[in-house]
Amino acid sequence: EAGVTQSPTHLIKTRGQQATLRCSPISGHTSVYWYQQALGLGLQFLLWYDEGEERNRGNFPPRFSGRQFPNYSSELNVNALELEDSALYLCASSPRLAGRHNEQFFGPGTRLTVL
Amino acid sequence: DQQVKQNSPSLSVQEGRISILNCDYTNSMFDYFLWYKKYPAEGPTFLISISSIKDKNEDGRFTVFLNKSAKHLSLHIVPSQPGDSAVYFCAASKTGGFKTIFGAGTRLFVKA
Repeated sequence: EAGVTQSPTHLIKTRGQQATLRCSPISGHTSVYWYQQALGLGLQFLLWYDEGEERNRGNFPPRFSGRQFPNYSSELNVNALELEDSALYLCASSPRLAGRHNEQFFGPGTRLTVL
Repeated sequence: DQQVKQNSPSLSVQEGRISILNCDYTNSMFDYFLWYKKYPAEGPTFLISISSIKDKNEDGRFTVFLNKSAKHLSLHIVPSQPGDSAVYFCAASKTGGFKTIFGAGTRLFVKA
């Protein structure tokens, strides 16, 4: 069974540009979560999508946005990039009904560098 | 407001000895706790979890202890192996809640 996939692996942008990150969840999973891991920090919750709708968002400005498609894949868009947006962006998925451990399954991440 | 805290950024342990990773939380509404392990260039993977109705859960070399009154949990790895060297994240959630809160992580080095 294929795991969560993310693309691209690395992304380099300049300040003010927009970045689009993509995530494909595990087959059968309806929820997608986005996290930011900045250097030296933990996983900061960004967004949660389920069944095509945004269910919750973390404490991030509106220039962080996203969507979930009918096939449950998801995009994260970051507008007006700032230097401090440089981080590893992780996507995770989970099934509609919580698994035995209620865990999330993570992709390998997209490393975004803003110059 | 950091609701889940891992105060030790790193920990170094000799192979064969016990590794103890600690985690504190502030929100008494959390009722489910998980540990994830992360290797470089990979996403975190689930390791072990514990419900608030228990105070201990064991899975092979890994045991998680929960002290609800102290709002503290710990992960014990016995015996530690070099392959355990990774970043360990503590996470907390509320059943039926909207999100899981992660700690900052502790980097474990197991020396051969």
